[in-house]
Amino acid sequence: NAGVTQTPKFQVLKTGQSMTLQCAQDMNHNSMYWYRQDPGMGLRLIYYSASEGTTDKGEVPNGYNVSRLNKREFSLRLESAAPSQTSVYFCASSEAQGSPYEQYFGPGTRLTVT
Amino acid sequence: GDSVTQMEGPVTLSEEAFLTINCTYTATGYPSLFWYVQYPGEGLQLLLKATKADDKGSNKGFEATYRKETTSFHLEKGSVQVSDSAVYFCALSHQAGTALIFGKGTTLSVSS
Repeated sequence: NAGVTQTPKFQVLKTGQSMTLQCAQDMNHNSMYWYRQDPGMGLRLIYYSASEGTTDKGEVPNGYNVSRLNKREFSLRLESAAPSQTSVYFCASSEAQGSPYEQYFGPGTRLTVT
Repeated sequence: GDSVTQMEGPVTLSEEAFLTINCTYTATGYPSLFWYVQYPGEGLQLLLKATKADDKGSNKGFEATYRKETTSFHLEKGSVQVSDSAVYFCALSHQAGTALIFGKGTTLSVSS
């Protein structure tokens, strides 16, 4: 049982380049999330998918797009990377119903945009 | 909107010292409350949770009690170890399938 997996682990991009961060979970969870972590800011939600076929914006969606490919996979795309997108990106998943709504996190992708 | 406030770090302790990390929240209704831990270079792991007032979550010697009257969920451990050095996040959630709202995190450094 791998839990939540993310690829790549590290990435360096030049300003204006594009890339897709991949996330997959094997816990049969309905809901999946993308967060970014910046020093002194905690984790902030970029996008989430409450169930297969739906996606919604979070607190900081600008500059990102997402795709819920199927129940297992939820990808995050940067179309034109900017230095402000240098961050650590975490994918998470959870059940869509029932208490207490805990989320399970992947190991993160450390992205640097130069 | 909902929010979580944690004490600012870093917190520096000697091994076997008592730990308290304060967490207070602002929210309507009765959210579930969580503490997550992030070890260096890793993702977040759930440390403990509580779903209703006066619930006590506990795990690995850590405890936190859901206090509705003070809107708090302080993390405590009686005797910290070097291996507890990490970043600790307090978080809340209202319902399944919605985002966690995190505090900014508190860095704990324990020396031997």
